[in-house]
Amino acid sequence: AQSVAQPEDQVNVAEGNPLTVKCTYSVSGNPYLFWYVQYPNRGLQFLLKYITGDNLVKGSYGFEAEFNKSQTSFHLKKPSALVSDSALYFCAVIQGSNYQLIWGAGTKLIIKP
Amino acid sequence: DGGITQSPKYLFRKEGQNVTLSCEQNLNHDAMYWYRQDPGQGLRLIYYSQIVNDFQKGDIAEGYSVSREKKESFPLTVTSAQKNPTAFYLCASTRGGLYGYTFGSGTRLTVV
Repeated sequence: AQSVAQPEDQVNVAEGNPLTVKCTYSVSGNPYLFWYVQYPNRGLQFLLKYITGDNLVKGSYGFEAEFNKSQTSFHLKKPSALVSDSALYFCAVIQGSNYQLIWGAGTKLIIKP
Repeated sequence: DGGITQSPKYLFRKEGQNVTLSCEQNLNHDAMYWYRQDPGQGLRLIYYSQIVNDFQKGDIAEGYSVSREKKESFPLTVTSAQKNPTAFYLCASTRGGLYGYTFGSGTRLTVV
């Protein structure tokens, strides 16, 4: 069965520094991967997805993610963190013919001024 | 603009009471989902529906019920059988394929 792991419950980064939020996956077949962000008391918002093609995917709010097939990873990155990037980040993978998303446990990102 | 509307934003339930959370979408999406989120935690799937008049249990369906009489609507009832209902509830929908999900803004349910 497909699965997604986010190994860090929380990531702390100083404002202006680069940030990385990690995600690894286990799938049979081609991986279709997503990143979402959740601000407090809000629904999840789509950031970016990898379906095929270029391994570096660019998304909303200056975020990007690098797909690495050999390491089965899809880490979320941003060159320079903002305090407003502080939120909960979820990685997800599509499972099965019904295209249901399987979610990681989430990583809390804290950007300190 | 198209989207998903969840109501109410905040809901208070007394012990032994059933309550219904509303989820309406005007995106013409076929599939809809209900998730439960506890503080600082991930998403747990309650129920999902891929077509009108059909739905399936997710990982934590006990104490919940749903209906899908219209494509646009997927209400969730939290019954008195759900012993710990205090949580944040999220509704989502998708057109299917590789498009991912669109989420509502959530309903926070508190037992008083």
